[in-house]
Amino acid sequence: NAGVMQNPRHLVRRRGQEARLRCSPMKGHSHVYWYRQLPEEGLKFMVYLQKENIIDESGMPKERFSAEFPKEGPSILRIQQVVRGDSAAYFCASSPGLAGDEQFFGPGTRLTVL
Amino acid sequence: QQQVKQSPQSLIVQKGGISIINCAYENTAFDYFPWYQQFPGKGPALLIAIRPDVSEKKEGRFTISFNKSAKQFSLHIMDSQPGDSATYFCAASRSARQLTFGSGTQLTVLP
Repeated sequence: NAGVMQNPRHLVRRRGQEARLRCSPMKGHSHVYWYRQLPEEGLKFMVYLQKENIIDESGMPKERFSAEFPKEGPSILRIQQVVRGDSAAYFCASSPGLAGDEQFFGPGTRLTVL
Repeated sequence: QQQVKQSPQSLIVQKGGISIINCAYENTAFDYFPWYQQFPGKGPALLIAIRPDVSEKKEGRFTISFNKSAKQFSLHIMDSQPGDSATYFCAASRSARQLTFGSGTQLTVLP
Protein backbone atom coordinates (compact mmCIF):
# COMPACT_ATOMS: atom_id res chain seq x y z
CA ASN A 1 0.00 0.00 0.00
CA ALA A 2 2.51 2.56 -1.21
CA GLY A 3 1.90 6.22 -0.60
CA VAL A 4 2.39 9.06 -3.04
CA MET A 5 5.72 8.67 -4.79
CA GLN A 6 7.79 11.47 -6.22
CA ASN A 7 11.04 11.42 -8.11
CA PRO A 8 13.64 12.57 -8.18
CA ARG A 9 13.89 13.59 -4.54
CA HIS A 10 16.60 16.12 -5.35
CA LEU A 11 17.21 17.80 -8.68
CA VAL A 12 19.94 20.27 -9.57
CA ARG A 13 19.68 22.28 -12.75
CA ARG A 14 21.60 25.18 -14.25
CA ARG A 15 19.76 28.28 -15.37
CA GLY A 16 18.09 27.73 -18.72
CA GLN A 17 17.78 23.96 -18.41
CA GLU A 18 14.55 22.00 -18.11
CA ALA A 19 13.30 20.35 -14.92
CA ARG A 20 10.92 17.42 -15.06
CA LEU A 21 9.27 16.27 -11.84
CA ARG A 22 7.25 13.07 -11.58
CA CYS A 23 4.45 12.04 -9.25
CA SER A 24 2.71 8.69 -8.89
CA PRO A 25 -0.49 8.99 -6.85
CA MET A 26 -1.67 6.53 -4.25
CA LYS A 27 -3.40 3.45 -5.59
CA GLY A 28 -7.02 4.22 -6.35
CA HIS A 29 -6.51 7.97 -6.41
CA SER A 30 -7.42 9.75 -9.62
CA HIS A 31 -6.85 13.36 -8.54
CA VAL A 32 -3.41 14.97 -8.39
CA TYR A 33 -2.40 18.36 -7.04
CA TRP A 34 0.95 20.12 -7.29
CA TYR A 35 2.13 22.61 -4.67
CA ARG A 36 5.29 24.66 -4.32
CA GLN A 37 6.97 25.50 -1.03
CA LEU A 38 9.57 28.23 -0.86
CA PRO A 39 12.02 28.19 2.09
CA GLU A 40 10.35 29.13 5.39
CA GLU A 41 6.95 29.51 3.71
CA GLY A 42 3.71 27.60 3.41
CA LEU A 43 2.63 25.58 0.43
CA LYS A 44 1.12 27.34 -2.55
CA PHE A 45 -1.25 25.61 -4.94
CA MET A 46 -0.10 25.31 -8.53
CA VAL A 47 -2.31 22.94 -10.49
CA TYR A 48 -5.05 20.32 -10.06
CA LEU A 49 -5.35 17.46 -12.53
CA GLN A 50 -7.43 14.39 -13.14
CA LYS A 51 -6.50 11.71 -15.63
CA GLU A 52 -5.92 13.41 -18.99
CA ASN A 53 -7.50 16.66 -17.78
CA ILE A 54 -6.29 19.87 -16.20
CA ILE A 55 -9.05 20.95 -13.82
CA ASP A 56 -7.52 24.11 -12.38
CA GLU A 57 -4.20 25.70 -13.22
CA SER A 58 -4.86 29.05 -11.61
CA GLY A 59 -1.72 28.78 -9.46
CA MET A 60 0.67 28.04 -12.30
CA PRO A 61 2.96 30.75 -13.61
CA LYS A 62 1.84 31.74 -17.09
CA GLU A 63 5.12 30.90 -18.75
CA ARG A 64 7.62 28.03 -18.60
CA PHE A 65 5.48 25.80 -16.37
CA SER A 66 3.25 22.97 -17.57
CA ALA A 67 1.68 19.87 -16.08
CA GLU A 68 0.10 16.70 -17.35
CA PHE A 69 -1.47 13.55 -15.96
CA PRO A 70 -1.67 11.03 -18.79
CA LYS A 71 -3.94 8.02 -18.94
CA GLU A 72 -0.98 5.79 -18.21
CA GLY A 73 1.99 6.73 -16.06
CA PRO A 74 2.80 9.41 -13.53
CA SER A 75 1.85 13.05 -13.45
CA ILE A 76 4.62 15.31 -14.74
CA LEU A 77 5.39 18.90 -13.74
CA ARG A 78 7.68 20.46 -16.31
CA ILE A 79 9.62 23.68 -15.86
CA GLN A 80 11.35 25.01 -18.93
CA GLN A 81 14.31 27.40 -18.90
CA VAL A 82 14.63 27.34 -15.13
CA VAL A 83 15.67 30.43 -13.21
CA ARG A 84 17.07 30.75 -9.69
CA GLY A 85 13.66 31.80 -8.38
CA ASP A 86 12.31 28.35 -9.29
CA SER A 87 14.43 26.83 -6.52
CA ALA A 88 11.91 25.34 -4.08
CA ALA A 89 10.38 22.12 -2.84
CA TYR A 90 7.65 20.84 -5.13
CA PHE A 91 5.06 18.58 -3.55
CA CYS A 92 2.50 16.39 -5.18
CA ALA A 93 -0.65 15.28 -3.39
CA SER A 94 -3.33 12.84 -4.40
CA SER A 95 -6.90 12.26 -3.34
CA PRO A 96 -9.68 9.85 -4.23
CA GLY A 97 -11.76 12.76 -5.52
CA LEU A 98 -15.47 12.40 -5.03
CA ALA A 99 -14.88 9.57 -2.58
CA GLY A 100 -13.08 11.88 -0.15
CA ASP A 101 -11.38 15.21 0.32
CA GLU A 102 -8.25 14.00 2.04
CA GLN A 103 -5.07 14.88 0.20
CA PHE A 104 -2.00 12.80 0.87
CA PHE A 105 1.37 14.27 0.09
CA GLY A 106 4.49 12.78 -1.36
CA PRO A 107 7.98 13.42 0.01
CA GLY A 108 8.61 16.23 -2.46
CA THR A 109 11.24 17.10 -5.03
CA ARG A 110 13.78 19.69 -3.96
CA LEU A 111 14.83 21.68 -6.99
CA THR A 112 18.01 23.72 -6.86
CA VAL A 113 18.82 26.03 -9.75
CA LEU A 114 22.46 27.06 -9.96
CA GLN B 1 -10.82 36.04 0.06
CA GLN B 2 -8.86 32.84 -0.38
CA GLN B 3 -6.44 33.58 2.45
CA VAL B 4 -5.97 31.50 5.57
CA LYS B 5 -4.17 33.32 8.38
CA GLN B 6 -2.26 31.28 10.94
CA SER B 7 -0.75 32.23 14.28
CA PRO B 8 1.59 32.13 16.07
CA GLN B 9 4.53 31.86 13.70
CA SER B 10 6.50 29.96 16.33
CA LEU B 11 5.62 28.33 19.63
CA ILE B 12 7.70 26.91 22.45
CA VAL B 13 6.01 24.59 24.95
CA GLN B 14 7.28 22.51 27.83
CA LYS B 15 6.88 18.76 27.68
CA GLY B 16 3.44 17.81 28.93
CA GLY B 17 1.97 21.21 28.15
CA ILE B 18 -0.78 22.16 25.71
CA SER B 19 0.12 23.57 22.29
CA ILE B 20 -2.50 25.79 20.66
CA ILE B 21 -2.35 27.02 17.07
CA ASN B 22 -4.99 29.24 15.56
CA CYS B 23 -6.25 29.87 12.04
CA ALA B 24 -8.79 32.23 10.53
CA TYR B 25 -10.33 32.13 7.09
CA GLU B 26 -12.37 34.49 4.94
CA ASN B 27 -14.04 32.36 2.31
CA THR B 28 -17.32 31.03 3.70
CA ALA B 29 -17.45 28.49 0.86
CA PHE B 30 -14.64 26.48 2.46
CA ASP B 31 -16.04 23.17 3.67
CA TYR B 32 -13.02 21.14 4.71
CA PHE B 33 -10.33 22.13 7.23
CA PRO B 34 -7.31 19.84 7.70
CA TRP B 35 -4.17 20.20 9.75
CA TYR B 36 -0.82 18.94 8.50
CA GLN B 37 2.42 18.19 10.32
CA GLN B 38 5.71 18.59 8.50
CA PHE B 39 9.17 17.53 9.63
CA PRO B 40 12.27 19.04 7.99
CA GLY B 41 12.93 17.54 4.58
CA LYS B 42 9.63 15.65 4.54
CA GLY B 43 6.24 16.11 2.95
CA PRO B 44 3.24 17.31 4.98
CA ALA B 45 1.39 14.53 6.77
CA LEU B 46 -2.34 14.77 7.42
CA LEU B 47 -3.00 14.92 11.17
CA ILE B 48 -6.68 15.58 11.61
CA ALA B 49 -9.46 17.33 9.70
CA ILE B 50 -12.90 18.77 10.37
CA ARG B 51 -15.98 19.91 8.46
CA PRO B 52 -18.16 22.89 9.41
CA ASP B 53 -21.07 20.78 10.65
CA VAL B 54 -19.24 19.93 13.89
CA SER B 55 -17.59 22.22 16.43
CA GLU B 56 -14.94 19.84 17.71
CA LYS B 57 -13.09 16.71 16.67
CA LYS B 58 -10.65 14.75 18.77
CA GLU B 59 -8.17 12.11 17.73
CA GLY B 60 -5.83 10.97 20.47
CA ARG B 61 -3.89 13.97 21.77
CA PHE B 62 -5.00 16.18 18.87
CA THR B 63 -8.22 18.23 18.93
CA ILE B 64 -9.65 20.65 16.38
CA SER B 65 -12.03 23.33 17.63
CA PHE B 66 -14.12 25.01 14.97
CA ASN B 67 -16.09 28.27 15.25
CA LYS B 68 -18.12 28.74 12.10
CA SER B 69 -19.56 32.15 13.03
CA ALA B 70 -16.11 33.57 13.79
CA LYS B 71 -14.55 31.76 10.81
CA GLN B 72 -11.80 30.41 13.02
CA PHE B 73 -10.42 27.00 13.87
CA SER B 74 -7.64 25.83 16.10
CA LEU B 75 -5.45 22.83 16.82
CA HIS B 76 -4.83 21.75 20.39
CA ILE B 77 -2.05 19.27 21.15
CA MET B 78 -2.48 17.86 24.64
CA ASP B 79 0.44 16.46 26.64
CA SER B 80 2.91 17.81 24.07
CA GLN B 81 6.02 15.69 23.53
CA PRO B 82 9.46 16.52 22.08
CA GLY B 83 8.57 14.27 19.14
CA ASP B 84 5.77 16.70 18.30
CA SER B 85 8.36 19.35 17.43
CA ALA B 86 7.62 20.14 13.79
CA THR B 87 5.94 22.72 11.58
CA TYR B 88 2.16 22.65 11.59
CA PHE B 89 0.01 23.98 8.79
CA CYS B 90 -3.70 24.61 8.77
CA ALA B 91 -5.49 24.53 5.45
CA ALA B 92 -8.92 24.89 3.91
CA SER B 93 -10.60 23.77 0.73
CA ARG B 94 -13.94 23.90 -1.05
CA SER B 95 -15.61 20.90 -2.68
CA ALA B 96 -12.50 18.69 -2.66
CA ARG B 97 -10.49 21.14 -4.69
CA GLN B 98 -7.10 22.64 -3.95
CA LEU B 99 -5.97 23.39 -0.40
CA THR B 100 -5.23 26.93 0.72
CA PHE B 101 -2.56 26.75 3.40
CA GLY B 102 -1.72 28.94 6.34
CA SER B 103 1.84 30.18 6.69
CA GLY B 104 2.80 27.55 9.27
CA THR B 105 3.71 27.38 12.96
CA GLN B 106 7.07 26.06 14.07
CA LEU B 107 6.46 24.16 17.30
CA THR B 108 9.28 23.32 19.69
CA VAL B 109 8.53 21.10 22.68
CA LEU B 110 11.24 21.31 25.31
CA PRO B 111 12.16 18.10 27.18
